[in-house]
Amino acid sequence: SAVISQKPSRDICQRGTSLTIQCQVDSQVTMMFWYRQQPGQSLTLIATANQGSEATYESGFVIDKFPISRPNLTFSTLTVSNMSPEDSSIYLCSVEHRGTNTGELFFGEGSRLTVL
Amino acid sequence: QKEVEQNSGPLSVPEGAIASLNCTYSDRGSQSFFWYRQYSGKSPELIMSIYSNGDKEDGRFTAQLNKASQYVSLLIRDSQPSDSATYLCAAFNDYKLSFGAGTTVTVRA
Repeated sequence: SAVISQKPSRDICQRGTSLTIQCQVDSQVTMMFWYRQQPGQSLTLIATANQGSEATYESGFVIDKFPISRPNLTFSTLTVSNMSPEDSSIYLCSVEHRGTNTGELFFGEGSRLTVL
Repeated sequence: QKEVEQNSGPLSVPEGAIASLNCTYSDRGSQSFFWYRQYSGKSPELIMSIYSNGDKEDGRFTAQLNKASQYVSLLIRDSQPSDSATYLCAAFNDYKLSFGAGTTVTVRA
């Protein structure tokens, strides 16, 4: 099983600022996924990050708001830009278990952001 | 219409009873299906996967899939207080995993 480390685990941010979340995996993976879980809600996929190419964003999410980097096969970052209270959520990094395109995901512990 | 819908909770069952969780999905192209368990304040963890019609058993957990009815279920037998959590149903298609809203289960001692 993959070990996924996320930083920060939690943060309190001011409106209008930006925060970058880091995700480090202990093995090389092709795809990394970023999810958002708003309070009391389920998980929504923000984007899929492949190494060496631009991230693929889901409907309702745009690169200007959630820029993603994927510099190598073990690391990715998600930036939440120009934050508003509506961005208060848990942001989760995930990778696939047992190879590519299986649908079986491991999740990091999440980054809980509160925007004031 | 949501891609994955789960029966509304919360679900409260006595210790030792069977907890039954249901899920339907809208995308007929979905290839595989999963149940994740999420304890309060924690991230989801995969507990069951099912790819073909029928039942799949793993310990006290049984997943059932009916692709014709676009229906997935999870049975938890001999429920324990440690099973108290939110259970998320997920359907996978075309590199995307879509989650239901979750059903919160409380096992009463």
